[in-house]
Amino acid sequence: GAVVSQHPSRVICKSGTSVKIECRSLDFQATTMFWYRQFPKKSLMLMATSNEGSKATYEQGVEKDKFLINHASLTLSTLTVTSAHPEDSSFYICSARDLQWDRGEQYFGPGTRLTVT
Amino acid sequence: GQNIDQPTEMTATEGAIVQINCTYQTSGFNGLFWYQQHAGEAPTFLSYNVLDGLEEKGRFSSFLSRSKGYSYLLLKELQMKDSASYLCAVPDSNYQLIWGAGTKLIIKP
Repeated sequence: GAVVSQHPSRVICKSGTSVKIECRSLDFQATTMFWYRQFPKKSLMLMATSNEGSKATYEQGVEKDKFLINHASLTLSTLTVTSAHPEDSSFYICSARDLQWDRGEQYFGPGTRLTVT
Repeated sequence: GQNIDQPTEMTATEGAIVQINCTYQTSGFNGLFWYQQHAGEAPTFLSYNVLDGLEEKGRFSSFLSRSKGYSYLLLKELQMKDSASYLCAVPDSNYQLIWGAGTKLIIKP
């Protein structure tokens, strides 16, 4: 149980375009999902916390107008990178909490590698 | 405030044992997690400790001392595939994970 999927796994886009990444909890309901970014050989960095039915909470330094988060249902959160630039190239990972057995554990999706050319 | 410290990098030999330490300072305590992250992949859950003592799970064991704010992950019979980063994390009062920077473990033949 507690499987999280992420789509797409890899995406290459041109500078100035927008990219949407989906995160789904497959076998549990997740009222809270998290979006992380990780640059090569760097630590996991929390970008935002996504709550179902409400606005996401962004970490300091993360532009909410650039990284749009929508958590429309208990099993789906999306991250849209708007007007992407090469510096946005990174590994984006989502995670979700299973509130039924919640002790804080996060289940991670496999990640999306974004390359902006 | 809340803070988690773990070594940046460690090196060990295949077949040996390695202990990765984690110290934490939190306003409350709701358990401690260890995750493994291979390069280019997402983290995967390894262990959860909420009571003092050692939890053994195959080649991996995790220890917790709440009074000392200290945990370690013990890896036995090291294999090359154990080369990865190991992340220590503790939930805050809202059960949102506070992450350590991770310890990169390098296994040499």
